[in-house]
Amino acid sequence: GQNIDQPTEMTATEGAIVQINCTYQTSGFNGLFWYQQHAGEAPTFLSYNVLDGLEEKGRFSSFLSRSKGYSYLLLKELQMKDSASYLCAVLDSNYQLIWGAGTKLIIKP
Amino acid sequence: ETGVTQTPRHLVMGMTNKKSLKCEQHLGHNAMYWYKQSAKKPLELMFVYSLEERVENNSVPSRFSPECPNSSHLFLHLHTLQPEDSALYLCASSQDQTENTEAFFGQGTRLTVV
Repeated sequence: GQNIDQPTEMTATEGAIVQINCTYQTSGFNGLFWYQQHAGEAPTFLSYNVLDGLEEKGRFSSFLSRSKGYSYLLLKELQMKDSASYLCAVLDSNYQLIWGAGTKLIIKP
Repeated sequence: ETGVTQTPRHLVMGMTNKKSLKCEQHLGHNAMYWYKQSAKKPLELMFVYSLEERVENNSVPSRFSPECPNSSHLFLHLHTLQPEDSALYLCASSQDQTENTEAFFGQGTRLTVV
């Protein structure tokens, strides 16, 4: 079966760095997405990785290792507004998105 | 504002009611999706439409009936729902269904079945 695993909840301090991990087992791979979802809001696109390595976009970076079936989202200089759920999703061989359950990130002052 | 609008934002309905959820996108996308989001569970893909034709139905109960009258609009018709159908229903669109393009989501309809 297809499976995406990510931690249910994480807590971090304002101004710090946090890494949210995602491991996957899917039938085929056409890329991995990270989305951010604030409570009561729509998920919004953060990043897309299809090749191994690190993609940096401002305070957010996303890393992919296809051989390990592993990705992480790195958030630097955390701000209170970064409190949200972070969803990992993999595009399988049929171009269907397989979603993780999301990681709720709590930022404390 | 993601360019995908869903109405209503909240809906409470009895098990014998019939209601419809509406989704509209102004992005010129060719693919539209219905997802169910339950607490602490992964997003569940319900239906996929590409160029107004249904291409995916992930074994969704017949009490959920989608309709795509044109490339900008998508409906989800609901009838004789069960309490376990209470969830956030998200609509999304993407440029094409078979490409690795990002999906744009609406803010969802919070459905409560009583």
